[in-house]
Amino acid sequence: GESVGLHLPTLSVQEGDNSIINCAYSNSASDYFIWYKQESGKGPQFIIDIRSNMDKRQGQRVTVLLNKTVKHLSLQIAATQPGDSAVYFCAETAGGYQKVTFGTGTKLQVIP
Amino acid sequence: SAVISQKPSRDICQRGTSLTIQCQVDSQVTMMFWYRQQPGQSLTLIATANQGSEATYESGFVIDKFPISRPNLTFSTLTVSNMSPEDSSIYLCSGHAGVGIQYFGAGTRLSVL
Repeated sequence: GESVGLHLPTLSVQEGDNSIINCAYSNSASDYFIWYKQESGKGPQFIIDIRSNMDKRQGQRVTVLLNKTVKHLSLQIAATQPGDSAVYFCAETAGGYQKVTFGTGTKLQVIP
Repeated sequence: SAVISQKPSRDICQRGTSLTIQCQVDSQVTMMFWYRQQPGQSLTLIATANQGSEATYESGFVIDKFPISRPNLTFSTLTVSNMSPEDSSIYLCSGHAGVGIQYFGAGTRLSVL
């Protein structure tokens, strides 16, 4: 079936630098995208979302960019902190906005 | 937001036995879901727990192996039946609180010997 996947399984970033986590999706019917953060031993936590009629959305220190032409979205984290170390999942949903498909995940390691 | 409580947080079980995982939400949610997550991997949806009716299972998951109940809007159980070592995984429940936004429990770490 259709899937959501990530380019990089592991990303190491120096503390204070900006992080960019990428995600490719293949379902052209996807119209809503979500980023989740999963810390060790915990369940995924909602970070930010974006609808398909937008190409950018900003939150606190995080920005999500959506490029529907190439079916790509990214999560940018400004001034990365040690507390940002986690696995980040992109997820997508289409139509009913209820069942969500998760991508592969990227592990972000912040170097102090 | 919603707070999801899961128990047990972890268990070690013998082959052939069954384990029931409980999921409690602190507020009413429209939908509840059960996922499986292998260590270091992504989440795979097992089923959608429907209140008062049979759960909706994803391809590869069947009711006989993963019976699910949802007697009310804030509680659900997942049973892993006749366990084998291949069932060793993290099992997560979530509650749907808005468009695409789900709140997750901390998960149940299951090891089958």
